[in-house]
Amino acid sequence: DTEVTQTPKHLVMGMTNKKSLKCEQHMGHRAMYWYKQKAKKPPELMFVYSYEKLSINESVPSRFSPECPNSSLLNLHLHALQPEDSALYLCASSQVIPSTDTQYFGPGTRLTVL
Amino acid sequence: AQSVTQLGSHVSVSEGALVLLRCNYSSSVPPYLFWYVQYPNQGLQLLLKYTTGATLVKGINGFEAEFKKSETSFHLTKPSAHMSDAAEYFCAVSESTSYGKLTFGQGTILTVHP
Repeated sequence: DTEVTQTPKHLVMGMTNKKSLKCEQHMGHRAMYWYKQKAKKPPELMFVYSYEKLSINESVPSRFSPECPNSSLLNLHLHALQPEDSALYLCASSQVIPSTDTQYFGPGTRLTVL
Repeated sequence: AQSVTQLGSHVSVSEGALVLLRCNYSSSVPPYLFWYVQYPNQGLQLLLKYTTGATLVKGINGFEAEFKKSETSFHLTKPSAHMSDAAEYFCAVSESTSYGKLTFGQGTILTVHP
């Protein structure tokens, strides 16, 4: 099973709302990633977790708050977002961090900020 | 710093024709190279990757790519296009020092005509 699941599939929120995106994998992977993909653009790395600890934060604004409660789950908490934050948010996982490892992507959550 | 350039944002071929998607990379250390495919409203799926060893890499769905260090290229080919190959294709690079960070090219949309 090489599946990464993400919920919800779609999310519409106002600029004052608080919402969360959820990602789950049961492949025993110990590295998990959040990417942001704007329309007609490639994915851009936001955060990397390794063994449930934040390893990389690509200078993401604090209105995005990641959380890795256990080795299978990754959350992205959203607060006070801007319309320009509307995008497809992709979660990925890999066995560990080394750069040769394949990252397996979920289907994404399409976020619209009004 | 690592970077990827994909030549041609759109490529159109006839069904049964050769598919050639171009990727050039820049890396200060030996790179690890990946090709991913993204179907509309879906996540990314790995087609193939090059880490070390044989420079001709075979992937899923009949795709292959050749790592050419002298040309800093990793072009993706498929001898005979199928309608189901229509999608967006991303070339990506990571380095041994990048702690799992993938840097993607801008993507190439492949259209297959009957």
